[in-house]
Amino acid sequence: EVQLVETGGSLVQPGKSLKLTCATSGFTFSNAWMHWVRQSPEKQLEWVAQIKAKSNNYATYYAESVKGRFTISRDDSKSSVYLQMNSLKEEDTAIYYCSLFAYWGQGTLVTVSS
Amino acid sequence: DIRMTQSPASLSASLGETVNIECLASEDIYSDLAWYQQKPGKSPQLLIYNANSLQNGVPSRFSGSGSGTQYSLKINSLQSEDVATYFCQQYNNYPLTFGSGTKLEIK
Repeated sequence: EVQLVETGGSLVQPGKSLKLTCATSGFTFSNAWMHWVRQSPEKQLEWVAQIKAKSNNYATYYAESVKGRFTISRDDSKSSVYLQMNSLKEEDTAIYYCSLFAYWGQGTLVTVSS
Repeated sequence: DIRMTQSPASLSASLGETVNIECLASEDIYSDLAWYQQKPGKSPQLLIYNANSLQNGVPSRFSGSGSGTQYSLKINSLQSEDVATYFCQQYNNYPLTFGSGTKLEIK
């Protein structure tokens, strides 16, 4: 059974940093292209970032709204994908999902507020 | 960026009815389109990929069609468990983009 479990969400002040972790199981993680997608309080879905597999040189892609502030990475030995979020803004407040698109985690809530 | 215009924003239909949800891309996305269902408090679930391919385990009353810039999701014989918000997504080009969602309710 495919499982994606996100952790690391919390309440954080604007300008601060936070790192999300997505632990996975039930599929060949090393071959998978992993995504982070977020859902705003208004329920709009926004794709955030993607990291491809080793065979694709771990290529990464980002939404313009997070480029230069967020970094996606992976550890194939731990079947985990990460999202390092720096210089957080109030508009980054959302539920963050780890996703294969065919499978989604339950999400972790990030709230950016002073 | 490719803009995905989804309509209607909300929809109310009776049990057993057929409903259609539309998604218009701002440019040709060559059938690189997915449909998701999201029930309240849950994560999105993939229904359709490549515009018309049914994801494993999804009931056959769901179907997708379209090409170029125009796509649609059809739900036949509406069931109570179909109450949800439906999103389209294009994956033809970065950044990947979603429609704004269609909230489906039972009349």
